Amino acid sequence: GENVEQHPSTLSVQEGDSAVIKCTYSDSASNYFPWYKQELGKGPQLIIDIRSNVGEKKDQRIAVTLNKTAKHFSLHITETQPEDSAVYFCAASKGRLTGGGNKLTFGTGTQLKVEL
Amino acid sequence: DGGITQSPKYLFRKEGQNVTLSCEQNLNHDAMYWYRQDPGQGLRLIYYSQIVNDFQKGDIAEGYSVSREKKESFPLTVTSAQKNPTAFYLCASSGRGLDADTQYFGPGTRLTVL
Repeated sequence: GENVEQHPSTLSVQEGDSAVIKCTYSDSASNYFPWYKQELGKGPQLIIDIRSNVGEKKDQRIAVTLNKTAKHFSLHITETQPEDSAVYFCAASKGRLTGGGNKLTFGTGTQLKVEL
Repeated sequence: DGGITQSPKYLFRKEGQNVTLSCEQNLNHDAMYWYRQDPGQGLRLIYYSQIVNDFQKGDIAEGYSVSREKKESFPLTVTSAQKNPTAFYLCASSGRGLDADTQYFGPGTRLTVL
């Protein structure tokens, strides 16, 4: 089955700096890659996603890049703010559209701390 | 107000007792999912259902059971056979078409078995 590895497990940055979180996946058939933000005691919230037919996607201060050949994808947060502090999870799936049943496999999470 | 609700937020049970966690959605989503989250770990899939009256085992289904009698509801029962049930349980749902792959999560239920 799919295996997703995520690094680093903790990341501390100064406010205004950029943060990068990296994930690798094992199944070349995976084609959907979401990123979730989870605040303490709450459910994960989707912040951005990317499909395998796209190399990069941006949404304001957040961007995701995908390298299908190397089977890795990354989350980039620019101009970090204290409210960005949370745990971030990457995930991968074959997607329901391709009959994969959309079974998401998650990374183990990155605790991001933005310091003033 | 559309969304996914899980109840209760906190649940305490004695060892050996079965317990049922509630998950309801009013998003008209076809598919629903249950995940388990342990400290410092990612989410692991317990069961999922793509349509009413049908469900499939995920990666860690042993000791759990589900039902999908209504589109809006997907309750999870943690049975006494689950060896380590204390965890944070998350329910999710996904829709159709281009939104079929996007899973939206509820607020979670923290289960503690004493």
